[in-house]
Amino acid sequence: RKEVEQDPGPFNVPEGATVAFNCTYSNSASQSFFWYRQDCRKEPKLLMSVYSSGNEDGRFTAQLNRASQYISLLIRDSKLSDSATYLCVVRYSSASKIIFGSGTRLSIRP
Amino acid sequence: EPEVTQTPSHQVTQMGQEVILRCVPISNHLYFYWYRQILGQKVEFLVSFYNNEISEKSEIFDDQFSVERPDGSNFTLKIRSTKLEDSAMYFCASSNENIQYFGAGTRLSVL
Repeated sequence: RKEVEQDPGPFNVPEGATVAFNCTYSNSASQSFFWYRQDCRKEPKLLMSVYSSGNEDGRFTAQLNRASQYISLLIRDSKLSDSATYLCVVRYSSASKIIFGSGTRLSIRP
Repeated sequence: EPEVTQTPSHQVTQMGQEVILRCVPISNHLYFYWYRQILGQKVEFLVSFYNNEISEKSEIFDDQFSVERPDGSNFTLKIRSTKLEDSAMYFCASSNENIQYFGAGTRLSVL
């Protein structure tokens, strides 16, 4: 079983739509969770950390369900600039390596 | 805003040659990492480095690979004898225990 699994997409949605991505992880001892975004041929950039209570940053909402080992990202009122690959990331302990999912491609159309 | 810088942005080399990829981590960070991403695949961990020694490495990081922090600012990845399958994007990252920040990467092309 893969350590971090994501639906590869692509998701193709119109501007202004709401879109949700899901991710599952296999190691129940995982401690920290993140969403990164990666534009084509660029480096991964942190979008947001994911906290147990769920957290929101503007149009982005992240949720964590430890019992189901499941992480989600919701994007509201999507913009053309949201087009990217969204990477689900898990870490076992502070300062340790981070483990990437394969990413979910999102394409926003005008 | 502080950033991780990597040089060169693109390195072309012949199979069997040695390459050194260079990184300047964010200045007050203590933890350094190398990852790679083969075209069309996911980002994979290679090695982490703390307190002047390797703290963790993956199966990919075999004897052909080495890392060094030769001075107070640079962090290098050396591949001794490159293979075709080493062609990938190599990302350096640094952190202070929490968020890892990535450099723009070096695209390594092995011919």
